[in-house]
Amino acid sequence: DGGITQSPKYLFRKEGQNVTLSCEQNLNHDAMYWYRQDPGQGLRLIYYSQIVNDFQKGDIAEGYSVSREKKESFPLTVTSAQKNPTAFYLCASSMGGRSNQPQHFGDGTRLSIL
Amino acid sequence: DAKTTQPPSMDCAEGRAANLPCNHSTISGNEYVYWYRQIHSQGPQYIIHGLKNNETNEMASLIITEDRKSSTLILPHATLRDTAVYYCIVRAYSGNTPLVFGKGTRLSVIA
Repeated sequence: DGGITQSPKYLFRKEGQNVTLSCEQNLNHDAMYWYRQDPGQGLRLIYYSQIVNDFQKGDIAEGYSVSREKKESFPLTVTSAQKNPTAFYLCASSMGGRSNQPQHFGDGTRLSIL
Repeated sequence: DAKTTQPPSMDCAEGRAANLPCNHSTISGNEYVYWYRQIHSQGPQYIIHGLKNNETNEMASLIITEDRKSSTLILPHATLRDTAVYYCIVRAYSGNTPLVFGKGTRLSVIA
């Protein structure tokens, strides 16, 4: 089935450790996004990528890094510089160009600090 | 910041229509209204979107006022599985524009 796969579903990080969250899509979408959600809050944009080998910072990019080497994949690394990484992370994708088609989301990765 | 205003919570009896309002008084001519919902601990699910005409699909109907400053999402026969947070989002006509989420409306469907 076509869709967005995020893994792992749950992830634990030790203090000072970098961790990478995976996001893969088989929808042939050009654009991909990472959002963060804290309890009781809406989603906030971390990074997004409109095409391969290009990405832009969102509202809360500090302490995070991304890469977009393949159209299907947009991994997010939570670095040790992110002092409050505990949150629910959501990946999304959408068609590119002049399209009003919606974004589609994965089921998320919940990150916690040990 | 989100360009929409929604009530923080609403209740609806099971089997009745749920009408969720959204104000977007500063909407521009090239901006669409999108609705998503998020069931607890899942990713947001796309429901419907529109520009100026009313829209209907298998999940819901979207009614946009003539001046486009507000809209209403209608779930015609709410079930317990419709309990979720509903987000109304205004987005420019571009497939690559990120969504800007507010806090949404928490809809509780009651048996």
